[in-house]
Amino acid sequence: EAGVAQSPRYKIIEKRQSVAFWCNPISGHATLYWYQQILGQGPKLLIQFQNNGVVDDSQLPKDRFSAERLKGVDSTLKIQPAKLEDSAVYLCASTQERGYEQYFGPGTRLTVT
Amino acid sequence: KQEVTQIPAALSVPEGENLVLNCSFTDSAIYNLQWFRQDPGKGLTSLLLIQSSQREQTSGRLNASLDKSSGRSTLYIAASQPGDSATYLCAVNGSSNTGKLIFGQGTTLQVKP
Repeated sequence: EAGVAQSPRYKIIEKRQSVAFWCNPISGHATLYWYQQILGQGPKLLIQFQNNGVVDDSQLPKDRFSAERLKGVDSTLKIQPAKLEDSAVYLCASTQERGYEQYFGPGTRLTVT
Repeated sequence: KQEVTQIPAALSVPEGENLVLNCSFTDSAIYNLQWFRQDPGKGLTSLLLIQSSQREQTSGRLNASLDKSSGRSTLYIAASQPGDSATYLCAVNGSSNTGKLIFGQGTTLQVKP
Protein backbone atom coordinates (compact mmCIF):
# COMPACT_ATOMS: atom_id res chain seq x y z
CA GLU A 1 0.00 0.00 0.00
CA ALA A 2 1.44 3.36 -1.01
CA GLY A 3 2.01 5.84 1.80
CA VAL A 4 1.23 9.54 2.02
CA ALA A 5 3.03 11.42 -0.76
CA GLN A 6 4.18 15.03 -0.52
CA SER A 7 5.98 17.38 -2.86
CA PRO A 8 8.25 19.18 -3.09
CA ARG A 9 10.55 17.77 -0.41
CA TYR A 10 12.49 21.01 -0.05
CA LYS A 11 11.78 24.62 -0.93
CA ILE A 12 13.75 27.81 -0.41
CA ILE A 13 12.03 31.13 -1.03
CA GLU A 14 12.50 34.75 -0.09
CA LYS A 15 10.15 36.48 2.31
CA ARG A 16 7.01 37.91 0.73
CA GLN A 17 7.09 35.26 -2.02
CA SER A 18 4.40 32.62 -2.32
CA VAL A 19 4.73 28.84 -2.12
CA ALA A 20 2.46 25.81 -2.47
CA PHE A 21 2.73 22.29 -1.13
CA TRP A 22 0.95 19.20 -2.40
CA CYS A 23 -0.24 16.10 -0.56
CA ASN A 24 -1.71 12.84 -1.81
CA PRO A 25 -3.11 10.77 1.09
CA ILE A 26 -3.39 7.01 1.36
CA SER A 27 -6.13 5.74 -0.90
CA GLY A 28 -9.49 5.61 0.84
CA HIS A 29 -8.49 7.83 3.76
CA ALA A 30 -11.26 10.34 4.35
CA THR A 31 -9.48 12.54 6.85
CA LEU A 32 -6.45 14.64 5.94
CA TYR A 33 -4.33 16.87 8.16
CA TRP A 34 -1.68 19.52 7.61
CA TYR A 35 0.78 20.06 10.46
CA GLN A 36 3.57 22.60 10.88
CA GLN A 37 6.71 21.45 12.69
CA ILE A 38 9.18 24.15 13.72
CA LEU A 39 12.69 22.94 14.48
CA GLY A 40 12.93 21.41 17.94
CA GLN A 41 9.16 21.31 18.46
CA GLY A 42 6.39 18.80 17.98
CA PRO A 43 4.04 19.20 15.02
CA LYS A 44 1.12 21.63 15.37
CA LEU A 45 -2.14 21.13 13.49
CA LEU A 46 -2.89 23.79 10.88
CA ILE A 47 -5.99 22.38 9.22
CA GLN A 48 -8.06 19.20 9.14
CA PHE A 49 -10.29 18.01 6.29
CA GLN A 50 -13.01 15.40 6.34
CA ASN A 51 -13.44 14.42 2.70
CA ASN A 52 -13.40 17.86 1.03
CA GLY A 53 -14.83 19.80 3.96
CA VAL A 54 -12.86 21.71 6.62
CA VAL A 55 -13.28 20.31 10.15
CA ASP A 56 -10.77 22.48 12.03
CA ASP A 57 -8.74 25.44 10.79
CA SER A 58 -8.59 27.30 14.09
CA GLN A 59 -4.77 27.49 14.08
CA LEU A 60 -4.36 28.36 10.42
CA PRO A 61 -3.08 31.94 9.91
CA LYS A 62 -5.79 32.74 7.42
CA ASP A 63 -4.34 36.08 6.40
CA ARG A 64 -1.52 34.26 4.63
CA PHE A 65 -2.25 30.53 4.62
CA SER A 66 -4.91 28.77 2.58
CA ALA A 67 -5.65 25.13 1.89
CA GLU A 68 -8.03 23.12 -0.20
CA ARG A 69 -8.89 19.51 -0.84
CA LEU A 70 -10.58 19.15 -4.16
CA LYS A 71 -12.69 16.03 -4.76
CA GLY A 72 -11.81 14.77 -1.29
CA VAL A 73 -8.44 13.34 -2.34
CA ASP A 74 -5.34 15.49 -2.99
CA SER A 75 -4.74 18.65 -1.00
CA THR A 76 -2.67 21.79 -1.44
CA LEU A 77 -1.44 24.20 1.20
CA LYS A 78 -0.42 27.69 0.12
CA ILE A 79 1.43 30.48 1.86
CA GLN A 80 1.23 34.00 0.43
CA PRO A 81 3.16 36.08 1.36
CA ALA A 82 5.71 34.05 3.31
CA LYS A 83 7.40 35.33 6.45
CA LEU A 84 10.69 34.29 8.03
CA GLU A 85 8.81 32.55 10.86
CA ASP A 86 7.12 30.24 8.36
CA SER A 87 10.39 28.32 8.02
CA ALA A 88 9.41 24.84 9.15
CA VAL A 89 8.59 21.34 7.98
CA TYR A 90 5.05 20.98 6.68
CA LEU A 91 3.68 17.52 7.27
CA CYS A 92 0.62 15.96 5.72
CA ALA A 93 -1.14 13.04 7.43
CA SER A 94 -4.18 10.95 6.67
CA THR A 95 -6.36 8.47 8.45
CA GLN A 96 -9.22 6.17 7.58
CA GLU A 97 -11.46 7.74 10.21
CA ARG A 98 -10.97 10.17 13.07
CA GLY A 99 -9.47 8.39 16.04
CA TYR A 100 -7.65 5.85 13.93
CA GLU A 101 -3.90 5.73 13.49
CA GLN A 102 -2.53 8.71 11.56
CA TYR A 103 -0.03 8.11 8.77
CA PHE A 104 2.41 10.86 7.87
CA GLY A 105 4.15 11.82 4.67
CA PRO A 106 7.87 12.69 4.48
CA GLY A 107 7.17 16.41 4.80
CA THR A 108 8.24 19.53 2.93
CA ARG A 109 11.06 21.51 4.47
CA LEU A 110 10.50 25.22 3.81
CA THR A 111 13.23 27.80 4.31
CA VAL A 112 12.26 31.46 4.05
CA THR A 113 15.21 33.83 3.66
CA LYS B 1 -6.13 23.48 27.10
CA GLN B 2 -4.27 20.21 26.63
CA GLU B 3 -0.49 20.34 27.01
CA VAL B 4 1.86 17.44 26.38
CA THR B 5 5.35 17.28 27.87
CA GLN B 6 8.17 14.86 27.20
CA ILE B 7 11.12 14.57 29.54
CA PRO B 8 14.02 14.28 29.00
CA ALA B 9 14.53 16.22 25.77
CA ALA B 10 17.54 14.06 24.95
CA LEU B 11 18.87 10.71 26.10
CA SER B 12 22.06 8.80 25.32
CA VAL B 13 22.46 5.14 26.27
CA PRO B 14 24.83 2.29 25.41
CA GLU B 15 23.58 -0.44 23.13
CA GLY B 16 21.66 -3.22 24.85
CA GLU B 17 20.14 -1.12 27.60
CA ASN B 18 16.44 -1.17 28.37
CA LEU B 19 15.03 2.35 28.53
CA VAL B 20 11.87 4.29 29.26
CA LEU B 21 10.64 7.45 27.58
CA ASN B 22 8.11 9.57 29.41
CA CYS B 23 5.08 11.52 28.23
CA SER B 24 2.72 13.53 30.43
CA PHE B 25 -0.50 15.35 29.54
CA THR B 26 -2.51 17.88 31.52
CA ASP B 27 -6.07 16.85 30.60
CA SER B 28 -6.86 13.22 31.37
CA ALA B 29 -9.94 13.27 29.12
CA ILE B 30 -8.35 11.70 26.06
CA TYR B 31 -9.65 9.39 23.34
CA ASN B 32 -6.31 7.80 22.57
CA LEU B 33 -2.56 8.37 22.58
CA GLN B 34 -0.09 7.63 19.81
CA TRP B 35 3.68 7.20 19.89
CA PHE B 36 5.72 8.14 16.81
CA ARG B 37 9.30 7.87 15.70
CA GLN B 38 10.95 10.57 13.58
CA ASP B 39 14.29 10.09 11.85
CA PRO B 40 16.31 13.19 10.87
CA GLY B 41 14.82 14.87 7.80
CA LYS B 42 11.96 12.39 7.64
CA GLY B 43 8.28 12.26 8.44
CA LEU B 44 6.71 10.52 11.42
CA THR B 45 6.33 6.75 11.67
CA SER B 46 3.55 5.46 13.89
CA LEU B 47 4.79 3.01 16.54
CA LEU B 48 1.86 2.33 18.82
CA LEU B 49 -1.65 3.63 19.42
CA ILE B 50 -3.31 3.13 22.82
CA GLN B 51 -7.01 3.65 23.28
CA SER B 52 -8.14 5.39 26.48
CA SER B 53 -9.64 2.12 27.73
CA GLN B 54 -6.36 0.25 27.35
CA ARG B 55 -3.48 0.03 29.78
CA GLU B 56 -0.75 -1.00 27.37
CA GLN B 57 0.18 -1.98 23.83
CA THR B 58 3.14 -4.01 22.61
CA SER B 59 4.93 -4.28 19.30
CA GLY B 60 8.16 -6.25 19.16
CA ARG B 61 10.66 -4.67 21.55
CA LEU B 62 8.34 -1.73 22.22
CA ASN B 63 5.78 -1.51 25.00
CA ALA B 64 3.65 1.56 25.63
CA SER B 65 1.64 2.02 28.81
CA LEU B 66 -1.10 4.49 29.62
CA ASP B 67 -2.24 5.78 33.02
CA LYS B 68 -5.01 8.16 32.13
CA SER B 69 -5.84 9.17 35.69
CA SER B 70 -2.32 10.44 36.31
CA GLY B 71 -1.90 11.85 32.80
CA ARG B 72 1.09 9.72 31.93
CA SER B 73 2.31 7.36 29.25
CA THR B 74 5.63 5.59 28.94
CA LEU B 75 7.36 3.96 26.00
CA TYR B 76 9.61 1.08 27.02
CA ILE B 77 12.30 -0.02 24.57
CA ALA B 78 13.94 -3.35 25.34
CA ALA B 79 17.49 -4.22 24.37
CA SER B 80 18.14 -0.94 22.57
CA GLN B 81 20.06 -0.94 19.27
CA PRO B 82 21.88 1.83 17.35
CA GLY B 83 19.05 1.68 14.80
CA ASP B 84 16.66 2.88 17.51
CA SER B 85 18.38 6.29 17.46
CA ALA B 86 15.71 8.82 16.51
CA THR B 87 13.32 11.35 18.03
CA TYR B 88 10.29 9.85 19.75
CA LEU B 89 7.09 11.87 19.94
CA CYS B 90 3.89 11.22 21.82
CA ALA B 91 0.58 12.78 20.83
CA VAL B 92 -2.89 12.78 22.37
CA ASN B 93 -6.31 12.90 20.72
CA GLY B 94 -8.90 14.56 22.97
CA SER B 95 -11.99 12.84 24.34
CA SER B 96 -14.24 14.37 21.70
CA ASN B 97 -12.19 12.44 19.12
CA THR B 98 -11.77 15.26 16.65
CA GLY B 99 -8.66 13.48 15.46
CA LYS B 100 -6.55 16.56 16.19
CA LEU B 101 -3.29 15.41 17.76
CA ILE B 102 -1.53 17.49 20.40
CA PHE B 103 2.17 16.64 20.35
CA GLY B 104 4.94 16.76 22.92
CA GLN B 105 8.31 18.24 21.97
CA GLY B 106 9.88 14.82 21.62
CA THR B 107 12.79 12.94 23.18
CA THR B 108 15.88 12.52 21.02
CA LEU B 109 17.44 9.15 21.67
CA GLN B 110 21.00 8.16 20.81
CA VAL B 111 22.01 4.54 21.23
CA LYS B 112 25.79 4.17 21.16
CA PRO B 113 27.39 0.98 19.81
